[in-house]
Amino acid sequence: DTEVTQTPKHLVMGMTNKKSLKCEQHMGHRAMYWYKQKAKKPPELMFVYSYEKLSINESVPSRFSPECPNSSLLNLHLHALQPEDSALYLCASSQDGTTDTQYFGPGTRLTVL
Amino acid sequence: SQQGEEDPQALSIQEGENATMNCSYKTSINNLQWYRQNSGRGLVHLILIRSNEREKHSGRLRVTLDTSKKSSSLLITASRAADTASYLCAIVNQAGTALIFGKGTTLSVSS
Repeated sequence: DTEVTQTPKHLVMGMTNKKSLKCEQHMGHRAMYWYKQKAKKPPELMFVYSYEKLSINESVPSRFSPECPNSSLLNLHLHALQPEDSALYLCASSQDGTTDTQYFGPGTRLTVL
Repeated sequence: SQQGEEDPQALSIQEGENATMNCSYKTSINNLQWYRQNSGRGLVHLILIRSNEREKHSGRLRVTLDTSKKSSSLLITASRAADTASYLCAIVNQAGTALIFGKGTTLSVSS
């Protein structure tokens, strides 16, 4: 199984809402990632978890809060987002770290009203 | 900027033709990776080439890496309409702390 799943596929939320994005992989990978991709732009790294510990936080605003409950799951909690946060949020995983091939999920298309 | 810069930004070819995309970067790398992205969807990994490698093949794909010129190329042979997508190169810095994507080349293959 070389699949990374993400739920939901689409999410519309108001600026006062609290929502969560979920990512799951069953490949035994120990590194998981969140990326943000705006239209016609490349993906930008947000967070990296390595062995369930947050190893990289690319100066992401605190309204985005990652969580890694176990080695297979990665969540991104959203609170008080702004319209400019609307984007495609991609999750990825790799065997050990960033020097390995990353396997991406299909993404969650987020719209903030 | 550490990110890869793809060239050309857009490429239109006929089915059966070969497509070549280039990626240049400015920093020392651990490896360079090529991904494909269909419109608005997740990325599919194509090939990873390490800094001590010069060429890799996978099916109809051929990737070269020239670390002295800090550049890589992706060749897709005998292209198909299904190859229509954006192709992004991504570099992993030498410290292995980040994967940084370029803006991509948009390939359009018409039948």
